[in-house]
Amino acid sequence: KNQVEQSPQSLIILEGKNCTLQCNYTVSPFSNLRWYKQDTGRGPVSLTIMTFSENTKSNGRYTATLDADTKQSSLHITASQLSDSASYICVVRSGTYKYIFGTGTRLKVLA
Amino acid sequence: KAGVTQTPRYLIKTRGQQVTLSCSPISGHRSVSWYQQTPGQGLQFLFEYFSETQRNKGNFPGRFSGRQFSNSRSEMNVSTLELGDSALYLCASSLVQTDTGELFFGEGSRLTVL
Repeated sequence: KNQVEQSPQSLIILEGKNCTLQCNYTVSPFSNLRWYKQDTGRGPVSLTIMTFSENTKSNGRYTATLDADTKQSSLHITASQLSDSASYICVVRSGTYKYIFGTGTRLKVLA
Repeated sequence: KAGVTQTPRYLIKTRGQQVTLSCSPISGHRSVSWYQQTPGQGLQFLFEYFSETQRNKGNFPGRFSGRQFSNSRSEMNVSTLELGDSALYLCASSLVQTDTGELFFGEGSRLTVL
């Protein structure tokens, strides 16, 4: 069964600290893996898109890694800011047309 | 450059009614996809359109349908509404239909079914 699992479900950190979010997937065929940030009441915004051959991709303070062998991905946030408080969603594109979404990690950054 | 526009933003319907949601993609984008987001299930893929053709459909009953017009604007329709259809419906557009095409989401239409 095609599935994307994220952990933890929720996370609270202090401003300035780093954190890492996890994504494990069992999706076939695999096309690419994406991380999105979704602020409350808003649509998701793309952070990174990684294909099978890419191990690491950065977007500012966000760095995503992909291990296609173990089917794991992580999103590392450096020097967190209050504006990082949001849900982070891992999405796997399967074949040409399908998207399988994780249920997200809800991050809260406290001052 | 205007983003993806979804209308209406909020609506309330009763069981058994039908609803039509509209999505205007970013100018020049020809691919439009629809998603349902609920607290319990998270985001789920509904369907994807490119050049007025439905390219794929998620695992939703036939009560959920959509279409795309020649100007790339898209609508989705839900008939015979059920309480479980209460959700945020998101539309996303993409410049081209490739595997790595960047998705740009709208703000969503929040549907409440009473």
